[in-house]
Amino acid sequence: GAVVSQHPSWVICKSGTSVKIECRSLDFQATTMFWYRQFPKQSLMLMATSNEGSKATYEQGVEKDKFLINHASLTLSTLTVTSAHPEDSSFYICSAREPASWGYEQYFGPGTRLTVT
Amino acid sequence: GENVEQHPSTLSVQEGDSAVIKCTYSDSASNYFPWYKQELGKRPQLIIDIRSNVGEKKDQRIAVTLNKTAKHFSLHITETQPEDSAVYFCAALLNRDDKIIFGKGTRLHILP
Repeated sequence: GAVVSQHPSWVICKSGTSVKIECRSLDFQATTMFWYRQFPKQSLMLMATSNEGSKATYEQGVEKDKFLINHASLTLSTLTVTSAHPEDSSFYICSAREPASWGYEQYFGPGTRLTVT
Repeated sequence: GENVEQHPSTLSVQEGDSAVIKCTYSDSASNYFPWYKQELGKRPQLIIDIRSNVGEKKDQRIAVTLNKTAKHFSLHITETQPEDSAVYFCAALLNRDDKIIFGKGTRLHILP
């Protein structure tokens, strides 16, 4: 099956710094990737939809200037948390979907646990 | 906005018994409904999905039913085992926006 990787798997950063998280589709080309955030004991909340070669579409309430998304190639999307604060500490998960003609299934990355001190 | 409601939030069943988790959705145009299992600290894993052109799908001990008229779908796990303990999320594809929205999750405990 399709494989999605994420890097790093966990990161600790100081308040005010920026952190970049990478999401890669390893064996397929993903024109669309999704970024989710999951707080402890809560559901996955969609943050934004990342489309290759175009601007990301952000969900209501998600600050696009704080969570920068770049989808520069068909296999890589990055999420940069800028000026991180403790309340940004969370589990960030990306997912990728194979071309629409193949179905709707999304494949999830292993997640990145961000801790802001 | 469009959403997916999931019940119960917590479910405890005796090992060997069946577990049922129910979800409703609001977007009548939704046509794809996946179910995910998530273990602590890990990624969601797709366990079964159903499309709107069928009413039921089964895969060994897991089955999903869909009632499009009522806009609800359910996950059924039979002969539960300890390894079934996890958090389960239902989800629905919002056709208009082409994105998947998750329910709030059900924490399933299998009691020995």
